[in-house]
Amino acid sequence: DARVTQTPRHKVTEMGQEVTMRCQPILGHNTVFWYRQTMMQGLELLAYFRNRAPLDDSGMPKDRFSAEMPDATLATLKIQPSEPRDSAVYFCASGLVIGTGGFNEQFFGPGTRLTVL
Amino acid sequence: QKEVEQDPGPLSVPEGAIVSLNCTYSNSAFQYFMWYRQYSRKGPELLMYTYSSGNKEDGRFTAQVDKSSKYISLFIRDSQPSDSATYLCAMSSISSGSARQLTFGSGTQLTVLP
Repeated sequence: DARVTQTPRHKVTEMGQEVTMRCQPILGHNTVFWYRQTMMQGLELLAYFRNRAPLDDSGMPKDRFSAEMPDATLATLKIQPSEPRDSAVYFCASGLVIGTGGFNEQFFGPGTRLTVL
Repeated sequence: QKEVEQDPGPLSVPEGAIVSLNCTYSNSAFQYFMWYRQYSRKGPELLMYTYSSGNKEDGRFTAQVDKSSKYISLFIRDSQPSDSATYLCAMSSISSGSARQLTFGSGTQLTVLP
């Protein structure tokens, strides 16, 4: 049963600390997306990759957030330093894009629930 | 103004009712229209999608797209308590980018009461 996995599932940290969230996309998928979900803003796209190359990270604060794909089986989202306003659920999703047309389903992980005190 | 607008609810209905969920959008380039369902403390999962205008039916669920009005709907017939979840509409176009990224609505929280 292929699925996206995310670690940790929950994280409580203090303001100013570094937070690293990890995602393992579904094997064979070539796109990875990071989202943040809050009650106020809903689901926001932070960054995304295709074939491990970052395509767009305009959705996230550049001064504190960074997203990388060290290899095809791991995507990371780091926040340094963390702030209380970063408290949210962070989702990773992966998909398979072939060619230039057609439908592309995104498969979501269970999320990392982050609380910054 | 957001590209995709969705009434956040919450919406509460009795079991067996017909539920109508809606989204409006402003980008006429959107061609793929999706509905994701998200249970509490879970990630969203794709419920169904349609391409361009028209209807699509899957069991108790029917998705409708009216591109002329930039309006999409999801109907749930004979609603069940297990349908209680947040429903998010999402859209994309062929020109959304090489990763085919999605634009989501804010989600409608639905509760079906037994």
